[in-house]
Parts: sequence; C-alpha cells; structure tokens
Amino acid sequence: NAGVTQTPKFQVLKTGQSMTLQCAQDMNHEYMSWYRQDPGMGLRLIHYSVGAGITDQGEVPNGYNVSRSTTEDFPLRLLSAAPSQTSVYFCASSYTRVSPPLHFGNGTRLTVT
Amino acid sequence: KNEVEQSPQNLTAQEGEFITINCSYSVGISALHWLQQHPGGGIVSLFMLSSGKKKHGRLIATINIQEKHSSLHITASHPRDSAVYICAAQNYGGSQGNLIFGKGTKLSVKP
Repeated sequence: NAGVTQTPKFQVLKTGQSMTLQCAQDMNHEYMSWYRQDPGMGLRLIHYSVGAGITDQGEVPNGYNVSRSTTEDFPLRLLSAAPSQTSVYFCASSYTRVSPPLHFGNGTRLTVT
Repeated sequence: KNEVEQSPQNLTAQEGEFITINCSYSVGISALHWLQQHPGGGIVSLFMLSSGKKKHGRLIATINIQEKHSSLHITASHPRDSAVYICAAQNYGGSQGNLIFGKGTKLSVKP
C-alpha cells in the first residue's frame, strides 16, 4: 500500500523554467491538495480537488496550475518558476475534505535560482 | 494576528518528562487536527478532534471549544518523540473545511 507518492524529492530550477510536481494516491481518496511550507510559516494551501474533474484555488494559487483527470493523480504545474516559489511542497489526500486522517506525501524540496 | 497560534515555538525536554504543546485558534472550527512532522520531513496525522479528549499510546489531545484552545500532551517523553508538532483548524463556511495550520512546535527530547 503506497499511500501518497510524490515525485521528485528534490528539484532545482532556473527562473522562468516550468515543471510539474507529481502526486499519486492509491487509496481511492476524493480529496487531494497541495501545500507549500516555508520557514517560519505554517503550511499554506495552494490548490485542492474534491474529485476528478473538480479543482479550486487555495490561499496561495498564483503561479501554479493543477488538474485532476483521474481520482489517483493530482499534478501541480509551475508555469514560469520564480525564486519566491522556492519552498517545500506537500501533496495530501483524504477520503473527503472533512474525513480524517489526512495522508501526506514525503514532500518535494524545490529551489529556484 | 494568525488564526492559529501555537506555543511554545521550541521546546527542549529530558527523556521521561511530561510535555504540553498548546494551540489557540480564533476562527470557528468544525475540527482541530494535530500532526507530527518527522526530522526527515514526512508528516503524519495524529488526531482529529471536535470535542473532549483523545488518547493514543502516550499521546493525549484535548480541546476546549468555548476557550478555542487545544493541547497535545506527551507522557513519558522519549527521544523518538523529537519532531515538529503542528495543529490545524478545520473551519466552517466558505472554504468548506480547508485546514488552517499553525507554525508548529519543534520538540527536542534529550536522553
């Protein structure tokens, strides 16, 4: 049982490059979400999805796109990376938005130079 | 003012000590979550509670809805409890249950 799988674990980008952070879960969870974690701040919600074909913005969505074509996958796309997007990114899922527990991926440490 | 405040920010304890981490929130909530982030970065969910108290092993979580306050207690602390403990409020209304996270409490338990 893999849980929530996030790739890559580490990534370095140059300003202006684009990339996709992958997130997949094998628990048939409806709710999936992306967070960023910055020093001295709590986890902040970027985008979330309550089911295949449905996505919505969180607290800090600018510069990021998501899609949810299947229940299992919820990729996060950085369209044109900026140094302000240097952060640790976590994907998480749960059965529904209000059903515990929230399962987290192991995180992606992204550096934008 | 942050909607979810944790104290202390950092906590050092000796093995065996009783530990309390506090969480205060200013929003109306449907539930309060406690999470543990390991030194390697992984995050696991410990508790979700909307009233009263929950216990799992040496960990106890309590919540006082009227006072908008929750505590996480660790009894007989051990070095393997060293981690960052995060509380998160799950709120009502427009954002429909999305979590608001505290900044975390970094716990270090010395042998």
